[in-house]
Amino acid sequence: GAVVSQHPSRVICKSGTSVKIECRSLDFQATTMFWYRQFPKQSLMLMATSNEGSKATYEQGVEKDKFLINHASLTLSTLTVTSAHPEDSSFYICSANDRDLTYEQYFGPGTRLTVT
Amino acid sequence: QKEVEQNSGPLSVPEGAIASLNCTYSDRGSQSFFWYRQYSGKSPELIMFIYSNGDKEDGRFTAQLNKASQYVSLLIRDSQPSDSATYLCAVIRAGNNRKLIWGLGTSLAVNP
Repeated sequence: GAVVSQHPSRVICKSGTSVKIECRSLDFQATTMFWYRQFPKQSLMLMATSNEGSKATYEQGVEKDKFLINHASLTLSTLTVTSAHPEDSSFYICSANDRDLTYEQYFGPGTRLTVT
Repeated sequence: QKEVEQNSGPLSVPEGAIASLNCTYSDRGSQSFFWYRQYSGKSPELIMFIYSNGDKEDGRFTAQLNKASQYVSLLIRDSQPSDSATYLCAVIRAGNNRKLIWGLGTSLAVNP
């Protein structure tokens, strides 16, 4: 149980384009989903918290107009990186809370984004 | 002082030994404690969670929580080379909307 998927696993895009990353909880309903970014050999950095049916809460320093998050259902959240630049190249990972459990977060496999 | 502190390592143990990983946290209001394992280039995987003082065992893993001393540890018995990874300690503070506060991780190397 508690499986989270992400799609795509890898994406290469050109500067200025937008990329959408999907995060799905496959066998549970996720009240809350989280989006992280991780640069090589660095710690996970929380970008935003999304709750189903409401606006995402962004961490300080994360541009909400650049990183659009939509949590439209209890099993799906999407992150769209708009007008991507090479410095947005990173490993993007989502996690989800199972509403029937307490506080455990289960992570998706991650999406490696390369902006050329 | 970081909210969650871990020794970065690397911690090197021989195969079959017990690996002991430690984590301290600064906020006494912290209520939930997690250990994640992360292999290079992969996302974190939940290994253990513990909410109450004492020990919690799951297979070769034991989590130990001491709220009075504000530390949580992870013991890995009969360490295997496949246990070589970075182990991340994470904490949720009371009233923090389930947001995990992360340590920087301890790198573990299990030598055959």
